[in-house]
Amino acid sequence: QSVLTQPPSVSAAPGQKVTISCSGNSSNIGQNSVSWYQQLPGTAPKLLIYETDKRPSGIPDRFSGSNSGTSATLAITGLQTGDEADYYCGTWDNSLSAGVFGGGTELTVL
Amino acid sequence: QVQLVQSGAEVKKPGASVKVSCKASGYTFTTHHVNWVRQATGQGLEWMGWMNPKTGDTGCAQKFQGRVTMTRDTSIGTAYMELRSLRSDDTAVYYCATTPPDSTWSDSWGQGTLVTVSS
Repeated sequence: QSVLTQPPSVSAAPGQKVTISCSGNSSNIGQNSVSWYQQLPGTAPKLLIYETDKRPSGIPDRFSGSNSGTSATLAITGLQTGDEADYYCGTWDNSLSAGVFGGGTELTVL
Repeated sequence: QVQLVQSGAEVKKPGASVKVSCKASGYTFTTHHVNWVRQATGQGLEWMGWMNPKTGDTGCAQKFQGRVTMTRDTSIGTAYMELRSLRSDDTAVYYCATTPPDSTWSDSWGQGTLVTVSS
């Protein structure tokens, strides 16, 4: 069981918007910034969002992150079929002194 | 361009050890921490530990304490992760990833190394 909680799956039509939630507690998200990763089938994870709402170079602004207390959210607008992937949130947990991830969310673009 | 190239797939018997390498290029090896993350087939990401290549300092998740060792060879820009007393549930793809100091995120990832533990 993962320390951070994500919905197992989300889906939406092409062109629409989808949000993926990531719930933690005061030891992790409540004290540290959240990052988001995209994992296409058979490939390594790729950094999408860091420090809660920043995008690395090359990541389109269709991807955005936000935070509220002990939860974080990834939003994807203008959905494309190429966005079909697993998405993971991650951060540091001060009580565990360890990195932690969510269980992952499978995005289906219908 | 940052690149992390990991060693090839391994097949090990229960009780054995495995050592995975991660060769870094495109940046100064000692400026970024190296994290190790694993993923069992069809499962999520599991953080294993971190290493500061400059100092050799390491830290790992409690479940791996006593079983994992993370080292580096700065002369060739390579990090290593050794896991001992392998069990069948250690079968997974193991990733190395770079993390800027004082950060909680990993910006570059290796291609992954499949470790299969089977009798």
